Formats: sequence, structure tokens, C-alpha cells
Amino acid sequence: KAGVTQTPRYLIKTRGQQVTLSCSPISGHRSVSWYQQTPGQGLQFLFEYFSETQRNKGNFPGRFSGRQFSNSRSEMNVSTLELGDSALYLCASSGQRANTGELFFGEGSRLTVL
Amino acid sequence: AQSVTQPDIHITVSEGASLELRCNYSYGATPYLFWYVQSPGQGLQLLLKYFSGDTLVQGIKGFEAEFKRSQSSFNLRKPSVHWSDAAEYFCAVGARGAAGNKLTFGGGTRVLVKP
Repeated sequence: KAGVTQTPRYLIKTRGQQVTLSCSPISGHRSVSWYQQTPGQGLQFLFEYFSETQRNKGNFPGRFSGRQFSNSRSEMNVSTLELGDSALYLCASSGQRANTGELFFGEGSRLTVL
Repeated sequence: AQSVTQPDIHITVSEGASLELRCNYSYGATPYLFWYVQSPGQGLQLLLKYFSGDTLVQGIKGFEAEFKRSQSSFNLRKPSVHWSDAAEYFCAVGARGAAGNKLTFGGGTRVLVKP
């Protein structure tokens, strides 16, 4: 069965622009989580969606938002990009309703902000 | 708030030697505990997990980890390292009873394998 697919894999934006990243979870998985990975801050939780509802949210400004569609695909959006938003954005899906932590990660979308 | 500390940023080990990666966590009760591995340019792959029961858990690729409640530790071990084990390893905790899959990750340990 296909794994978690993230698009695009690489993208370059300039400050002030906005970006939308997409994630297709493993078939049948209803939970999708997003993490930001940077050399300085490591892996930080952004948010989690389950059945189109945001179930958990990390400590990121409102410029970071997400949504989930009825087919469980998810998108995250970052508006008014800042240099510090340059990072690898990882999406993970899970088939478990409760918190088991057994997450299946995609390869990430690497965002560079110039 | 929960936190995870991986004291070693880098570890270099010879191929065939044993490997131990340290992980200490801070949490009010016993959390769910995980080890993930990330190869260059890849996402994270789950190596093993601890929920309850036997404190020595076996994972994929010959890895094992031991939960020690008294030390708030969950160290990862492998008896004989292969060159393909060169990667970055992350320890993570999840809160019991919380709805959802929110994990807190340690800073990671990068493992280099010498031939």
C-alpha cells in the first residue's frame, strides 16, 4: 500500500509570500499530523487533524493553518512567510483513533524562504 | 509539560561494534515512548515503541530499548552496527490518555558508522 505522499518536495519562496503544502495519508488513515523540522528547533508539532477536525495544535502563530478534506488528504498553509519559516515540513498519518504515536511519515516538503 | 533530552548530538561507532543511544524524558506519569530513525533526505520511520508491560522492547532492524522508570530513561541499543545504520535517531514521548497523536521529540542523535 502506498505510503504518505507529500507535495511539493522542494520549493523556494520569498518573504511575504504564502505557501500551501499537501499531504496524502496512507489509505484508510484518518489522522494527519504536521511537524516542522529545523536544525535549531528540531522537530516541533504543528497540528493534527482527524476526520476533518483539528484535534491538537502546537505553539505556532496564526500564520500557520491547516485543513483536512473528506478523503483525509490534508493541506497546511503558511502566510506572510518569514526567513525563519525555512524548514522541512513533515506530514504523518496514523490509523489509530487514540494517541499511540505510531506515525507513518512522508519524506517532507523542504521550504526555503529567501 | 513533557520534554525529551538526548544528551549525545553525535556518536561515531565502528561497524560491528555495539551502539547505545541515550534518552531521558520528563513527564508526570509513564508516557508512551518511541524511537524513530531518519535517513538523509527521508522521513521518519518508527523503530520501536513502549506502551506498557515488559520494559525491554524489541524493534525492527535489530534494535531494542529498555524503559527504566526510576531513571526516566528509554535508551536504544543495537549489539552490532551495520553501515546502513548511519542516520539520525529521535526519541519521542506521547501523553497517555490524550486524544490524538501529538508527540514531543528529542533533539536527535546523529550516528556515524566507521568502516
